[in-house]
Amino acid sequence: GAGVSQSPRYKVTKRGQDVALRCDPISGHVSLYWYRQALGQGPEFLTYFNYEAQQDKSGLPNDRFSAERPEGSISTLTIQRTEQRDSAMYRCASSLRTSGRHEQFFGPGTRLTVL
Amino acid sequence: AQTVTQSQPEMSVQEAETVTLSCTYDTSESDYYLFWYKQPPSRQMILVIRQEAYKQQNATENRFSVNFQKAAKSFSLKISDSQLGDAAMYFCAYNFFGNEKLTFGTGTRLTIIP
Repeated sequence: GAGVSQSPRYKVTKRGQDVALRCDPISGHVSLYWYRQALGQGPEFLTYFNYEAQQDKSGLPNDRFSAERPEGSISTLTIQRTEQRDSAMYRCASSLRTSGRHEQFFGPGTRLTVL
Repeated sequence: AQTVTQSQPEMSVQEAETVTLSCTYDTSESDYYLFWYKQPPSRQMILVIRQEAYKQQNATENRFSVNFQKAAKSFSLKISDSQLGDAAMYFCAYNFFGNEKLTFGTGTRLTIIP
């Protein structure tokens, strides 16, 4: 079966533009996570969903960042009025259930560059 | 707050030798999980091994094993018979029951010397 997919794989945008990053989890996976990874650092948690419900958004840096998963499958992370400091790799992961026992499978990431 | 510390930014090992990567963590939780993830140059994130805190036995996956010292809050990864394909960034990570978001360390870059 297919793994977690993300699109686009690369996104270059100008400061002030809005961007939408898409994550398509493994079919049947209940939990979906968003992380951000700066170069040379480990991923940092942004937010996660169980089904369509956003369970924790404590990692979103500010109100320019939002995420949704309206039908409990595909999720979109939106960044409004992008700034250069938003440049990073944005990773999505999904897991079968919401439990640490269940492996989080990571997608390939979207590399965002804000000029 | 939970923290994960990897004190070795870089490590190197001769091919076929054994190397140990260190990780310490801080938590007040009793039911938690520890992970090692591998990030090769392709920048994928691949789970290498997982340890559940309530299990006393150290986890093993083929050439990869952990030394889990709960009292010391230490979770090191041992790679035996190192292979060129093991070259990657290795991240230690943690989560706990009821809060499944992963907290990662800063990573250790492992180089394999042919």
